[in-house]
Amino acid sequence: DGGITQSPKYLFRKEGQNVTLSCEQNLNHDAMYWYRQDPGQGLRLIYYSQIVNDFQKGDIAEGYSVSREKKESFPLTVTSAQKNPTAFYLCASSNLGRYGYTFGSGTRLTVV
Amino acid sequence: AQSVAQPEDQVNVAEGNPLTVKCTYSVSGNPYLFWYVQYPNRGLQFLLKYITGDNLVKGSYGFEAEFNKSQTSFHLKKPSALVSDSALYFCAVRATPYNTDKLIFGTGTRLQVFP
Repeated sequence: DGGITQSPKYLFRKEGQNVTLSCEQNLNHDAMYWYRQDPGQGLRLIYYSQIVNDFQKGDIAEGYSVSREKKESFPLTVTSAQKNPTAFYLCASSNLGRYGYTFGSGTRLTVV
Repeated sequence: AQSVAQPEDQVNVAEGNPLTVKCTYSVSGNPYLFWYVQYPNRGLQFLLKYITGDNLVKGSYGFEAEFNKSQTSFHLKKPSALVSDSALYFCAVRATPYNTDKLIFGTGTRLQVFP
């Protein structure tokens, strides 16, 4: 079955560490997105990419980085510059012009 | 500025009663509107969307939503609530300019259905 896979499901980061969250899709979707979810704040866009080797900052890109070397993959790195990284991270993909997202099951990142 | 508002943090309803989860939007041009549902520690699942056409849109699990242009609203409804409908519901609008599929999400409404 086609879908979008995020790993790991749970991730723990020490202060000062960079960590990378994986997002892979086999839907042949053009666009991919990273959102951060915090209680009471809904989903906030971190980065998105509409085509391989190109990506744009969202509303809260500071302290995060991404790459899009393959159509199927859009990893997110949470750097040590992100001061409050504890959150639930959601990856999504869409077929441009078809409207609406398919979401992964999320990664819960906790700073210890 | 483009935005989506979900004015209720939580909606409580008894099983078997009708439910409404409210959403209003602000976007220039014709809106593309969506509802998603999220169960604990899971990603969001698509429920329904309005792009054009009939103002009443039917979606998954017996949910429907009514687009009201004059009130800039897209409220989610179900005639008879189930305990299993208890979840977090998000309204979203496609951002303009329309050269991307970016969605702007509301803050979510927690629906609690009591037996």
